[in-house]
Amino acid sequence: QVQLVQSGAEVKKPGASVKVSCQTSEHPLTNNYMYWIRQAPGQGLEWVGWINLKNGVTGYAQKFEGRVTMTRDTSFSTAYMELTRLTFDDTAVYFCARDGPSPVPELDCWGQGTLVTVSS
Amino acid sequence: DIVMTQSPLSLSVTPGDPASISCTSSQSLLHSSGYNSLGWYLQKPGQSPQLLIYLGSKRASGVPDRFSGSGSGTDFTLKISRVEAEDVGVYYCMQGLQGRPTFGQGTKVEI
Repeated sequence: QVQLVQSGAEVKKPGASVKVSCQTSEHPLTNNYMYWIRQAPGQGLEWVGWINLKNGVTGYAQKFEGRVTMTRDTSFSTAYMELTRLTFDDTAVYFCARDGPSPVPELDCWGQGTLVTVSS
Repeated sequence: DIVMTQSPLSLSVTPGDPASISCTSSQSLLHSSGYNSLGWYLQKPGQSPQLLIYLGSKRASGVPDRFSGSGSGTDFTLKISRVEAEDVGVYYCMQGLQGRPTFGQGTKVEI
C-alpha cells in the first residue's frame, strides 16, 4: 500500500514563505500526478494545484498563481509545494494526494496533512 | 470554474438506515473517455479524506459495498444502503474535468 508522508507543522509570519514536502513510498514514482489540496480551519476542501511527477509540468488554481510553486525530486520520490507571501488566510492544513490510474482525477491516497499557521 | 453543489449539508442518520447525498455540477462532467469525472470522498473526524467512489460509480479499493455512486452529466448521488457508526464524517463530491478540480461544500453525516 502506497503511503504519503508529509513534513511537519509550520508557523510562519505574514509575508513569509513555506515549503511543504510529501514523500511517497513508491520507488520509482509511477503515478503521473500529485495534487495539493488545502483545508482552512472548519472549512471545506480547496484545490491548490497539481504537478506531473514524470515531467514536472504544473497546474495551479488561479487564486494561487504567482505565489505557489510545485516541484518534485524523483530521486527521493518527494513532491514539494512552496507558498510565498503568506497571509492569515493561508492558515490551513495542506494535503498532498496521489492521482490514480483512471483517465480522470481520482485521489486514491492522501498524506496526513501539514498544518501551516500564519501568525504575527 | 465548475461549481459543485451538495445537498443536504447535514444529515442525521440511524444505524442500519439508508442515507443519500446529492451532488450537482454547473456543467456536464462527462469526460471524453465516456466516464464521468466525479468522485466521492469521506473525511472522518481528525483524518485525511479518503476516496470512496471514482468515475461516478466505481467503488475504490477496500470500500464496503454498502456505498454506491450513481448519476451522469450534472446530477450525482452517493447512497449508503445501511449506515454504520464508522460512516460518520463529512462527505465531499469532487469534479476533475479540465484539470481544475472543485469540491462540493461537504455533507456532515452524524449518527
